Amino acid sequence: ETGVTQSPTHLIKTRGQQVTLRCSSQSGHNTVSWYQQALGQGPQFIFQYYREEENGRGNFPPRFSGLQFPNYSSELNVNALELDDSALYLCASRGSFTGELFFGEGSRLTVL
Amino acid sequence: QKEVEQNSGPLSVPEGAIASLNCTYSDRGSQSFFWYRQYSGKSPELIMSIYSNGDKEDGRFTAQLNKASQYVSLLIRDSQPSDSATYLCAVNNDGNKLVFGAGTILRVKS
Repeated sequence: ETGVTQSPTHLIKTRGQQVTLRCSSQSGHNTVSWYQQALGQGPQFIFQYYREEENGRGNFPPRFSGLQFPNYSSELNVNALELDDSALYLCASRGSFTGELFFGEGSRLTVL
Repeated sequence: QKEVEQNSGPLSVPEGAIASLNCTYSDRGSQSFFWYRQYSGKSPELIMSIYSNGDKEDGRFTAQLNKASQYVSLLIRDSQPSDSATYLCAVNNDGNKLVFGAGTILRVKS
C-alpha cells in the first residue's frame, strides 16, 4: 500500500479522442510524476510536478499535459490519442529526501 | 547504447537457490539506484534502494553497487515461487526522473 491512488483503472478509447487520468498522492509528498509503460518495456518518464509547477519533462509531445492541484492530486491529459498511446500509465509520489518513487496501481489505457 | 540495460531473461532458478539480477547504466554521474518488482498486470513495487558503493541487505534481498564499473545488482537468497516477477532496475541521475531498464523476468521453480 503506497498511498497513491489512480483512476480509472482501465479504460478504452478510440483514436483521436482525449483522455484524463487522475492521481491522488501520498499525504506530505508534494512531488508527483507520471510514467508510461508499454507492454514489455520499463516505465518511461512523462513529466513531474512540484508545488503545482511542471519541473521536468521527458521525450513526450505537447499533447501530453498535466496539472497538479493544491492538495497535491494530479491529472494527466492526453489529446488526439494514437494507437501507440496504449499503455499502463503510472503515477508516482516521491519521498522528500530519499528520491524514492512510490507508484499507484496504474491506469491501463487501450486505444482502438 | 541504452541508458539502463538489463538482461531480459527469463532467468530460471530452483526454489531455495540464489537469484542474481544485473544492471548496467551509462551515466557516470548517476547518484541513486533502485530495484522494483513488478508482478504481471500490476504496478512496480520498490524493494531496494542503494546510494553508495558496496552492499545493502534487507531480509533476503541484497543490492550491490559498483559505481566505477557502472554496475548494480540484486541478489535474492532462498528464492521462493512468489518471487517470480519482472525486476526493474532504475537510475536517478538528474533529480527529476528515474530511468528504467526493460526488466528481467525471474522464474522460480518449485
